[in-house]
Amino acid sequence: KAGVTQTPRYLIKTRGQQVTLSCSPISGHRSVSWYQQTPGQGLQFLFEYFSETQRNKGNFPGRFSGRQFSNSRSEMNVSTLELGDSALYLCASSLGAGGTRTDTQYFGPGTRLTVL
Amino acid sequence: QKEVEQDPGPLSVPEGAIVSLNCTYSNSAFQYFMWYRQYSRKGPELLMYTYSSGNKEDGRFTAQVDKSSKYISLFIRDSQPSDSATYLCAMSPPPGNQFYFGTGTSLTVIP
Repeated sequence: KAGVTQTPRYLIKTRGQQVTLSCSPISGHRSVSWYQQTPGQGLQFLFEYFSETQRNKGNFPGRFSGRQFSNSRSEMNVSTLELGDSALYLCASSLGAGGTRTDTQYFGPGTRLTVL
Repeated sequence: QKEVEQDPGPLSVPEGAIVSLNCTYSNSAFQYFMWYRQYSRKGPELLMYTYSSGNKEDGRFTAQVDKSSKYISLFIRDSQPSDSATYLCAMSPPPGNQFYFGTGTSLTVIP
């Protein structure tokens, strides 16, 4: 079974630009979560989508947004990029049953975003 | 104060040593506790999953949860160079998939 894929793997942008990252979950998984990983802050939860609806949201500004398509693929968009947005952005997929002990998140390799 | 605190290390041990990795947390609502391993340039992979308090063993790995102290641990026995990675603790309140991660501990096992 194919794992979680993320594209692109590396991205360089300048301040003020916007960026869209893509995530394809494991086949059959309906939940997709996005995280930002930086050396100082670690993994921080951005949001989770389940069946095309945002189910949970972390504490990030509105410049960070996402969506999920009917095939469970998800995109994350960051507008008006700032230097502090440089990070590894990870996507994780799970069955999405929610609240069950066996719902395990599987992570993709991440997209390394550098903002200059 | 962060919800999950984890000593970043780095931690360096000789091959065969017992490794102890720890996290503390402040939210008493957390019920699900996980440990992930992350190799360089890879996404985290799930190692251990524990519900509520107690111990769980899987091969060379043992996860412990002490909810009264808000403290979780991961023990690695007979450590191997292939265990060299960053270890992340994560936890979640029920229900749903919102997880809170520690910053990770970098471990190097020296042959």
